[in-house]
Amino acid sequence: KAGVTQTPRYLIKTRGQQVTLSCSPISGHRSVSWYQQTPGQGLQFLFEYFSETQRNKGNFPGRFSGRQFSNSRSEMNVSTLELGDSALYLCASSLVSGRNYEQYFGPGTRLTVT
Amino acid sequence: AQRVTQPEKLLSVFKGAPVELKCNYSYSGSPELFWYVQYSRQRLQLLLRHISRESIKGFTADLNKGETSFHLKKPFAQEEDSAMYYCALTGSSNTGKLIFGQGTTLQVKP
Repeated sequence: KAGVTQTPRYLIKTRGQQVTLSCSPISGHRSVSWYQQTPGQGLQFLFEYFSETQRNKGNFPGRFSGRQFSNSRSEMNVSTLELGDSALYLCASSLVSGRNYEQYFGPGTRLTVT
Repeated sequence: AQRVTQPEKLLSVFKGAPVELKCNYSYSGSPELFWYVQYSRQRLQLLLRHISRESIKGFTADLNKGETSFHLKKPFAQEEDSAMYYCALTGSSNTGKLIFGQGTTLQVKP
């Protein structure tokens, strides 16, 4: 079974621009979560989508948004990029949304903001 | 506040020595606890979870609700155990939101 895929793998953007990252979950998985990983803050939860609905949102500004499509693929968007948004963005999928379900992580998208 | 604390950034042991990676949590409710591992150049993956009560690759973790701890243990470390280990929890709201600790790098020396 193919794992979680994320595109692009690397991205360089300029302050003020916006960016869209994509995540394709494991086939059959309906829940997708997004995390930001930085050396200073570690892994922080951004949001979770299940059946095209946002189930939970982390403590990030409104510049961070996401959505999920009917095929469970998900995108996250960051508008008006800031230098501090430079990070590894991970997405994870699970069969359904729930606290006991294993999450399978993708390889991440490395975003650099200059 | 919901928080997971891993007090050690780096733990270095010799092959064959016992390993204990510490994890303490703060959560007002009944969380589910997990250990995730990231080997070099690989993805973050689940190692074990409290609810399964199973031993994976020789690792076990016991939930101590009194001390709010979920330490990861292995009696005899192997070189292939060298990796970054993250303790994490999900809360009572039955969503997949994982709260991670800062991670501990385990280095097993030959």
